[in-house]
Amino acid sequence: GNSVTQMEGPVTLSEEAFLTINCTYTATGYPSLFWYVQYPGEGLQLLLKATKADDKGSNKGFEATYRKETTSFHLEKGSVQVSDSAVYFCALSGDSNYQLIWGAGTKLIIKP
Amino acid sequence: KAGVTQTPRYLIKTRGQQVTLSCSPISGHRSVSWYQQTPGQGLQFLFEYFSETQRNKGNFPGRFSGRQFSNSRSEMNVSTLELGDSALYLCASSTTGPGGEKLFFGSGTQLSVL
Repeated sequence: GNSVTQMEGPVTLSEEAFLTINCTYTATGYPSLFWYVQYPGEGLQLLLKATKADDKGSNKGFEATYRKETTSFHLEKGSVQVSDSAVYFCALSGDSNYQLIWGAGTKLIIKP
Repeated sequence: KAGVTQTPRYLIKTRGQQVTLSCSPISGHRSVSWYQQTPGQGLQFLFEYFSETQRNKGNFPGRFSGRQFSNSRSEMNVSTLELGDSALYLCASSTTGPGGEKLFFGSGTQLSVL
């Protein structure tokens, strides 16, 4: 079945560092891929998505490219801020659009 | 537009009891999905409803059930509570389904089973 594997956290970086959070997946068909973020004390919210191979999703300085050849959807940001501290979840749509399959989440801590 | 509302915010129950959680989706959203979030297991999909029909179900025992009403509000029920059911239960709504578009999440119900 479909599955998502994320790099384990926590990931600790200094402000203005470059960020990569790895996400790989196994899937049949052509799923959509998502990154959701959960800021401290807040609900989950969509950060970005990509619906087909080679699509790049972007939002708030974050980017991720749907790589079918490497089955990956790594999250990147060129210069992180303390306000980016949160838990990041990679997810993919299942065999239908009726569910999302989630990675375990990666906690990101940015130190000033 | 009001967001997704989950009630109650916190619940404390004892083993063997049952509990009902409520979720009011964003107006116009017909899909409601439920998730269990725990530190060890991350986010696990429970089930998804669309126009009062359950379209998909995750790998949870039959003690976990849900329903959706004609106004799209949804409830989930957990019977015969176990210690391992302690978790944050999240619901999310969307217009067509979780995998097709943006999900809007509620703040969750934190369930503690003693």
